[in-house]
Amino acid sequence: KAGVTQTPRYLIKTRGQQVTLSCSPISGHRSVSWYQQTPGQGLQFLFEYFSETQRNKGNFPGRFSGRQFSNSRSEMNVSTLELGDSALYLCASSLPGLASQETQYFGPGTRLLVL
Amino acid sequence: AQKITQTQPGMFVQEKEAVTLDCTYDTSDPSYGLFWYKQPSSGEMIFLIYQGSYDQQNATEGRYSLNFQKARKSANLVISASQLGDSAMYFCAMREVRSNDYKLSFGAGTTVTVRA
Repeated sequence: KAGVTQTPRYLIKTRGQQVTLSCSPISGHRSVSWYQQTPGQGLQFLFEYFSETQRNKGNFPGRFSGRQFSNSRSEMNVSTLELGDSALYLCASSLPGLASQETQYFGPGTRLLVL
Repeated sequence: AQKITQTQPGMFVQEKEAVTLDCTYDTSDPSYGLFWYKQPSSGEMIFLIYQGSYDQQNATEGRYSLNFQKARKSANLVISASQLGDSAMYFCAMREVRSNDYKLSFGAGTTVTVRA
């Protein structure tokens, strides 16, 4: 079974631009979560989607948004990019199950550099 | 407050030896799950092992075992017979059920370097 895929793998943007990142979950997985990883803040939760609905959102400004399609693929968008948005963005998918047991499987990430 | 604490920023281990990575957590939720992930320099987070709060036995997956001490709120990862390919960053994470927010809370991570 193919793992979680993320595109693009690397991205360079300039301040003020916007960016869209894509994530395809493992076949059969209906939950997709997004995380931002930076050296200073570590891994931080962005949001989680299940059946095209956002179930939870982390503490990020409204410039960060996402959506999920009927085939469970997900996209996240960052508008008006700032230098501090430079990070590794990780997508994870999981099967719905008992909340405590649900294992998230991660993709390779998208490395975003904002200049 | 930090929910997951990993106090070892970096560790060196000799090939074929065992290494223990510390993880303590903070929650008042009686139902939670604990996870360990490995992140090589490529960036991908690789799931290693899971322990549920109600599990009576310590979890094991191949060379990985989890030393779960519930009263101490500790979930240390033990890697036996270290290999060069084990060199990576290791993260401890927790999901609480009561919060119902489906997110994983991660520790700061521990970098493991395996020496030949």
